[in-house]
Amino acid sequence: GENVEQHPSTLSVQEGDSAVIKCTYSDSASNYFPWYKQELGKGPQLIIDIRSNVGEKKDQRIAVTLNKTAKHFSLHITETQPEDSAVYFCAAIRGYSTLTFGKGTMLLVSP
Amino acid sequence: GAVVSQHPSWVICKSGTSVKIECRSLDFQATTMFWYRQFPKQSLMLMATSNEGSKATYEQGVEKDKFLINHASLTLSTLTVTSAHPEDSSFYICSAPPGSVATEAFFGQGTRLTVV
Repeated sequence: GENVEQHPSTLSVQEGDSAVIKCTYSDSASNYFPWYKQELGKGPQLIIDIRSNVGEKKDQRIAVTLNKTAKHFSLHITETQPEDSAVYFCAAIRGYSTLTFGKGTMLLVSP
Repeated sequence: GAVVSQHPSWVICKSGTSVKIECRSLDFQATTMFWYRQFPKQSLMLMATSNEGSKATYEQGVEKDKFLINHASLTLSTLTVTSAHPEDSSFYICSAPPGSVATEAFFGQGTRLTVV
C-alpha cells in the first residue's frame, strides 16, 4: 500500500518568514495530493491540493509543488502569520482508494 | 467549498454506555463517507468506509461490533461507539468526497469523546 513520509515534525519560524513542509510517497500511481490544516480541537481543513498532471499550484501565500519522478511534494507558505500556526498534514491517494496521511507537521509562527 | 457537519462536537459518557456521532453532508450527496480516529499529536487513522445502502468496510484491527456504522441516506452517516470504555476516548472525524471526484475529501469538525 501507499506510504507517506512527512518532514519536519515541528517547524518554528518568525512572522514574515517562509515555511516549507515536505512529503514523499511510495506509490507511483498516486495521482492526487491534498494538504490539510488542522487547528487544535478541530477537523482538518483542505487548504490546497495538486493532481499528478500539474507540477505547481499557487493560491495567494500558499503553494504546492510536485515532483513525480522523485515522488515528493512540498507545501510552501510565504509571509507567515501567527494564524498560520497549526498542524499540517499531507496526503496521497490513487484513483478512488482512501487517503494516506503523513504524520503531520506542527508549525509555530512567532510574532 | 463543500461542507460536512459533524455532531456533537464533544461528548462525555459513562463506561458501558453507547454514543452516536452524526456526519452530514450539507450541500452535496455522499454515497461514501469515511470515519477516522485521531489520538493526541498523531495523524488520522482510517477506521472504516461508510457506504450508502450497504455495509461499511472496516480497516484491519477495527471491531465492527464495537463501532457500528449506518449510512441510511445520501447525506447522513452515523458512528455508534457501543459499550464505550475509557480507551475509546479519542477524537473522531468523518469526511466525505463531494461530487463525482471521489479523490477529494472534506472533513467534519470532529467529535471529542471522553469516556469516564
